[in-house]
Amino acid sequence: GENVEQHPSTLSVQEGDSAVIKCTYSDSASNYFPWYKQELGKGPQLIIDIRSNVGEKKDQRIAVTLNKTAKHFSLHITETQPEDSAVYFCALSGNTPLVFGKGTRLSVIA
Amino acid sequence: DADVTQTPRNRITKTGKRIMLECSQTKGHDRMYWYRQDPGLGLRLIYYSFDVKDINKGEISDGYSVSRQAQAKFSLSLESAIPNQTALYFCATSARKAGQGRYQETQYFGPGTRLLVL
Repeated sequence: GENVEQHPSTLSVQEGDSAVIKCTYSDSASNYFPWYKQELGKGPQLIIDIRSNVGEKKDQRIAVTLNKTAKHFSLHITETQPEDSAVYFCALSGNTPLVFGKGTRLSVIA
Repeated sequence: DADVTQTPRNRITKTGKRIMLECSQTKGHDRMYWYRQDPGLGLRLIYYSFDVKDINKGEISDGYSVSRQAQAKFSLSLESAIPNQTALYFCATSARKAGQGRYQETQYFGPGTRLLVL
């Protein structure tokens, strides 16, 4: 079945610096890779996603890269701001519903 | 997301009690999901339903049951609650779009129900 490992579990960065979170997987049938952001006291919300026929996707300060050969995908946040502080989950799907990583708690220090 | 509501938001119960968590949505989505969130373990799928007559077990369905009363309502029951079912529970919805893969749609999460089993 599909499984995903997410690292790091916690990440602290200075405001204005970049943050990178990486996820690895093993099932080559995985073909959809979304990232969700969970703010304190709320449910997760989709921030960006990528499909297996694309290597990179950007949306303002957020980007996701996918390396299908190495079976890993990463979330990149540039020019971090205090409101980026949250828990971020990678996820993937292929032949089964979404499987989520264990999450990364990002703290942006002003 | 205000379009997905969960009741109650907080619940304290005792071991052995039967409880029901309810989820309602006004997004018109056909697909609904129940997840459990534990610290350090991420989100794990309990059950999901792709329409009113379709119910599927997720990764951790033991000890839980569900009912899809209508397209807009999906309830999760704990038949006999135990302390290790203490967790944050989320309902989510989605709608498949033409041209998308079977499991590639965006999921919209409710605000969560915090459950404590004593």
